[in-house]
Amino acid sequence: DGGITQSPKYLFRKEGQNVTLSCEQNLNHDAMYWYRQDPGQGLRLIYYSQIVNDFQKGDIAEGYSVSREKKESFPLTVTSAQKNPTAFYLCASSIRGVYNEQFFGPGTRLTVL
Amino acid sequence: AQTVTQSQPEMSVQEAETVTLSCTYDTSESDYYLFWYKQPPSRQMILVIRQEAYKQQNATENRFSVNFQKAAKSFSLKISDSQLGDAAMYFCAYRTYSGGGADGLTFGKGTHLIIQP
Repeated sequence: DGGITQSPKYLFRKEGQNVTLSCEQNLNHDAMYWYRQDPGQGLRLIYYSQIVNDFQKGDIAEGYSVSREKKESFPLTVTSAQKNPTAFYLCASSIRGVYNEQFFGPGTRLTVL
Repeated sequence: AQTVTQSQPEMSVQEAETVTLSCTYDTSESDYYLFWYKQPPSRQMILVIRQEAYKQQNATENRFSVNFQKAAKSFSLKISDSQLGDAAMYFCAYRTYSGGGADGLTFGKGTHLIIQP
């Protein structure tokens, strides 16, 4: 089955620790995205990547980092510099082209204790 | 920067009735794309419908249709014959035409749709 996988579904970390969220897709999509969702809020763009070894900051990139070494993978690291990291994180991918649908993964709920 | 506003935090409709969800946006661009996404309790984001700004004809997908008013920067979603499975958060989203075709989406804060049986 083609799709996007995010792991783990739930993640708990202590304050001050870096944590990496996984996102893998087998849809052969060039573009990948990370969004953050807080209660009562829409999704906000953290980072996106159009091709391998290239990525751009979104609206709320501070305290986050990404890499794109493989077309299929776009991991997100939440660093200790992120002031309020507890949130629901969604990964998406799409074929390049503005009209093309972004397909979303099931999300990871990160809780920092 | 573009902004998307959904002024209805919550809407309720009786099953089989019609409901309209509102969305307005602010942009200085002339070419862009608009989307409605659905997020059920599972939190999986699902595309409902999309509209190209240069097209005057409103998009339709089965029971879902939009009323796109470019001059007013309005993009409302109409759901006809509401079903229990339509209960979800609905997000309006904007995508710029520029940027190589792979920029992210700008989302509104969402409308929680409740379906009364």
